[in-house]
Amino acid sequence: SQQGEEDPQALSIQEGENATMNCSYKTSINNLQWYRQNSGRGLVHLILIRSNEREKHSGRLRVTLDTSKKSSSLLITASRAADTASYFCATALSNDYKLSFGAGTTVTVRA
Amino acid sequence: EADIYQTPRYLVIGTGKKITLECSQTMGHDKMYWYQQDPGMELHLIHYSYGVNSTEKGDLSSESTVSRIRTEHFPLTLESARPSHTSQYLCASKDGNYNEQFFGPGTRLTVL
Repeated sequence: SQQGEEDPQALSIQEGENATMNCSYKTSINNLQWYRQNSGRGLVHLILIRSNEREKHSGRLRVTLDTSKKSSSLLITASRAADTASYFCATALSNDYKLSFGAGTTVTVRA
Repeated sequence: EADIYQTPRYLVIGTGKKITLECSQTMGHDKMYWYQQDPGMELHLIHYSYGVNSTEKGDLSSESTVSRIRTEHFPLTLESARPSHTSQYLCASKDGNYNEQFFGPGTRLTVL
């Protein structure tokens, strides 16, 4: 079964606004990763946050991790039309080299 | 840009045909993965390999098979394609144990 679940399923915002999406998971993890997928393409890795980290930044991206609540959030600041994509969280377990993906959040940025 | 390639990008075939989806990476990664993804849905792991001559089935049962004879090559074969196999197939690779995965562009398969 899938480990991660994203919320919301879909998000529509105006260019320049911030977009926040959440991911919840079920078991202890080694790290949590966020990926972006443009329509019909492969996934691109955005950011990895380890279980002993609480917050991480990369450009306009900010990721938080709360292991006590088994949840993570991805914030995209000052969104652009090019940010329109599906965003997936993926969890890596400590004794496993596989990733478990959620169903994704579809983000539409309106010009 | 990740150096992982998938061919063909699009494939439309008739029921009963045998097909092979190619996946190659030039990064020397030991771990490789095949995922199946329906439009707008999550990725389901169908096969993975942690090195040459090592292959395992993933979480989603699949009628496909894979082989890993060379580090850089991880082809997926369907002996007899059916309409239920219509989907997007994504290949990925990584090095190390808990690092990020690099994805190919995917093969969109349609079986008529």
